Amino acid sequence: DAGVTQSPTHLIKTRGQQVTLRCSPISGHKSVSWYQQVLGQGPQFIFQYYEKEERGRGNFPDRFSARQFPNYSSELNVNALLLGDSALYLCASSLGPLGGATEAFFGQGTRLTVV
Amino acid sequence: AQRVTQPEKLLSVFKGAPVELKCNYSYSGSPELFWYVQYSRQRLQLLLRHISRESIKGFTADLNKGETSFHLKKPFAQEEDSAMYYCALTNQAGTALIFGKGTTLSVSS
Repeated sequence: DAGVTQSPTHLIKTRGQQVTLRCSPISGHKSVSWYQQVLGQGPQFIFQYYEKEERGRGNFPDRFSARQFPNYSSELNVNALLLGDSALYLCASSLGPLGGATEAFFGQGTRLTVV
Repeated sequence: AQRVTQPEKLLSVFKGAPVELKCNYSYSGSPELFWYVQYSRQRLQLLLRHISRESIKGFTADLNKGETSFHLKKPFAQEEDSAMYYCALTNQAGTALIFGKGTTLSVSS
């Protein structure tokens, strides 16, 4: 049973560069969310996509963008990377919007290091 | 503002001792609260949610609206309980989980 898969697992980028992170949800899940987890902190919400539309956005600058494809996979893009963008980026998928019995399932994350 | 506070960064107990991981929240209305756990080298996973009122791996959590708390408890800790525990709630739009900073539970023999 394939869970949420993210690629790549690790990434090193230079300040000012751009990065794209990828996420494949569990089969049948139509919602994908992205979280940033800085060392020593809990995950912080970046975006939620449901049925290919952005349904929620956290308090992140416009350098962060995302999209969801017809097969419900998703990409997170970060432009003009800063040292402070170094973090573990988590993808979570769910059947639909959170609430009630709907559970979010998390991927292993992509570890981004900006040097 | 919607917020989750976990006051303890680290909780160390001996095997067999009771465990209580504290969680306080700020929310207008009726929150949906969860405990997530991350074992070493594993992904973040749901441990329990307040609406199901289940006991998972011996852990329970009761929502106390008066104290705005959702503390996680287990009467007898096991070494395999050692992990990072996050308390979270769903935002009012149902679009995001809001997490606390997490508490590391260390159970030693």
